[in-house]
Amino acid sequence: DADVTQTPRNRITKTGKRIMLECSQTKGHDRMYWYRQDPGLGLRLIYYSFDVKDINKGEISDGYSVSRQAQAKFSLSLESAIPNQTALYFCATSAETGGKYEQYFGPGTRLTVT
Amino acid sequence: AQSVTQLDSQVPVFEEAPVELRCNYSSSVSVYLFWYVQYPNQGLQLLLKYLSGSTLVESINGFEAEFNKSQTSFHLRKPSVHISDTAEYFCAVRPLSGGYQKVTFGTGTKLQVIP
Repeated sequence: DADVTQTPRNRITKTGKRIMLECSQTKGHDRMYWYRQDPGLGLRLIYYSFDVKDINKGEISDGYSVSRQAQAKFSLSLESAIPNQTALYFCATSAETGGKYEQYFGPGTRLTVT
Repeated sequence: AQSVTQLDSQVPVFEEAPVELRCNYSSSVSVYLFWYVQYPNQGLQLLLKYLSGSTLVESINGFEAEFNKSQTSFHLRKPSVHISDTAEYFCAVRPLSGGYQKVTFGTGTKLQVIP
């Protein structure tokens, strides 16, 4: 089974709708992240969380909110979706101890806002 | 502040030919360097990383990258590519202190291996 899972994998929604993207991990990491990927722009950080009570805005948090329901679950919400939020969204976790310094990514959610 | 430049958005190469994907960075502090690979419809997977020590790092599938501090580069190379190497490759940097929330990704290079 994958260490970082995302649901749904694909979603088409209409402008103005609220939508939630979910992420779960079995790696036991405290740190989790949400990124969006746009063609030609690489990955940009939306939100990150160091633990359940520590949530921080990233580079492009406007129009998004998050919830860390448990150490293993981190959800991203679009309160009122707009077309320029059409993108590929990735959840990630990271390890900072034991000399690992690695980040692990989920398979992504392709979101289309019409 | 830091930045990552991948000048080549697409690199076509024939199967069994060598390839180099270029990555240059700028940073006011010391950094860790990474290459990630993204296969179609998948997330990013770590290909290799430079944390310290030998400036030449290798992956298990034949890729290597060399950290050149004076030229602030971390180019990715493979002496002979396979069809299965077709993917998008991302270079990334993060400062030694502060965590992955400070990682900066390049814009990616699509490697197309031609049979």
